[in-house]
Amino acid sequence: EVQLLESGGDLVQPGGSLSLSCAASGFTFNNYVMSWVRQAPGKGLEWVSTISGSGAVTSYPGSLKGRFTISRDNSRNTLHLQMSSLRADDTAIYFCARFTDKFSFDSWGQGTLVTVSS
Amino acid sequence: QSALTQPPSVSGAPGQRVAISCTGGSTNIGAGYDVHWYQQLPKSAPRLLIHGNHIRPSGVPDRFSGSKSGTSVSLAITGLQAEDEADYYCQSYDSSLSAYIFGTGTRVTVL
Repeated sequence: EVQLLESGGDLVQPGGSLSLSCAASGFTFNNYVMSWVRQAPGKGLEWVSTISGSGAVTSYPGSLKGRFTISRDNSRNTLHLQMSSLRADDTAIYFCARFTDKFSFDSWGQGTLVTVSS
Repeated sequence: QSALTQPPSVSGAPGQRVAISCTGGSTNIGAGYDVHWYQQLPKSAPRLLIHGNHIRPSGVPDRFSGSKSGTSVSLAITGLQAEDEADYYCQSYDSSLSAYIFGTGTRVTVL
């Protein structure tokens, strides 16, 4: 069974940094592209980032480029998201998701809450 | 990121059929990119419901079906059940944004 378990969510001040992790199990991690998707309180879903199975290729929406960095440790089956220069509108639940070759997200973690506030 | 357009809400009585539309443009759905649908129950993570416009992953009841025509796609739920009360999102890829985009979301209410 595919399991994705996020951690690292916290309350952080505007301008601060935070790192999220996602522990994966139940599948061959390095064979899969992985992603982060977020959901602001009461709002819809927003794609945050995607990384190839090897970690060599990453992608971000234009609005987040330069502030967020996705990475992975295939030896530990773990996905990471490093966030910097955080703003109030980055407040959201951040989901880790497995990405398919059909451009869909087929498995999701339960999410970790990031709150940016002074 | 620009989003795909969905109606904010739809409702129906148990046993009825409801449909949710998802409208895009020439750089996403109209460009031929597949559309996928997700169900998000209250206080839960999203779950993949339909992929590749109309394909149900294993475990998804056949009450759920997806279709595509031009730049519009839709999700239909037949034989509506109380447990179907949730938010539903469509998702695709946009070539002009180079981004994976989601619909605005539709809340389904079972009367």
